[in-house]
Amino acid sequence: GAGVSQSPSNKVTEKGKDVELRCDPISGHTALYWYRQSLGQGLEFLIYFQGNSAPDKSGLPSDRFSAERTGGSVSTLTIQRTQQEDSAVYLCASSASSDTQYFGPGTRLTVL
Amino acid sequence: AQSVTQLDSHVSVSEGTPVLLRCNYSSSYSPSLFWYVQHPNKGLQLLLKYTSAATLVKGINGFEAEFKKSETSFHLTKPSAHMSDAAEYFCVVTRGNSGYSTLTFGKGTMLLVSP
Repeated sequence: GAGVSQSPSNKVTEKGKDVELRCDPISGHTALYWYRQSLGQGLEFLIYFQGNSAPDKSGLPSDRFSAERTGGSVSTLTIQRTQQEDSAVYLCASSASSDTQYFGPGTRLTVL
Repeated sequence: AQSVTQLDSHVSVSEGTPVLLRCNYSSSYSPSLFWYVQHPNKGLQLLLKYTSAATLVKGINGFEAEFKKSETSFHLTKPSAHMSDAAEYFCVVTRGNSGYSTLTFGKGTMLLVSP
C-alpha cells in the first residue's frame, strides 16, 4: 500500500516568507508526527497529533511554527517569516496502534 | 526522560566483513528501541524494533540487535556487510508500549562500506 507522502520534496524560499509543508499519512493511521533534521541538531521532534486530542506542540522551536491536521488525515506544517536557521529537512511520520512510526521522504527547505 | 548515545559517528568496514554499530540508551520507563536507516536523499526506513519480547531482534537485510538491560545497550550487527548497506543509521528510543510516543533519536552513525 501507499506510504507516507510529503510535498513538496524541495522548497526554496526567501527569508521572511511563509511556507507550508504537507504530509499525507498512511490511511488509517491515527497518529501523525513532524520532525526536523538539520546539520548539527540531528533529528528533532516538532509536533504530534493523535486522533481528536489536542496536539503535543512541545517540540516547536518558536511561535513562527504551527501545524494543523484536517479531518484526522492530512497535515500542514506552516513556518511564518522564515529564517535561515529554519533550513532543514522536515520529516513526517504516522503510526497506527503501536509505537512504530513510518516516515515520509521529507521536504528539504532552503531559506535564502 | 530518555536519551540515546550512538558511540561512533562513522564506521568503516570492508564488504563481506561484520558490522557493529553501537548504541546506549537511557530511559525512565521500559523502553521501546528501534534502529532506522537512511540512505542518501531518502526517508527513514525501519530496520528493526525491540518492545520487551525477545531480547535478540532480527530485522530486514540481515541486521539484528540485542537488547541488554544490564548494559543499557542495543547494538546493531550484521555478519557480512554489503555495499548497499552504506547509509546512516539511527538508534531511537521511545517511552515503551504505553501507546503513542514521540521518538528520541541518536545523532546517527554513518556506515561506509569499501569494496
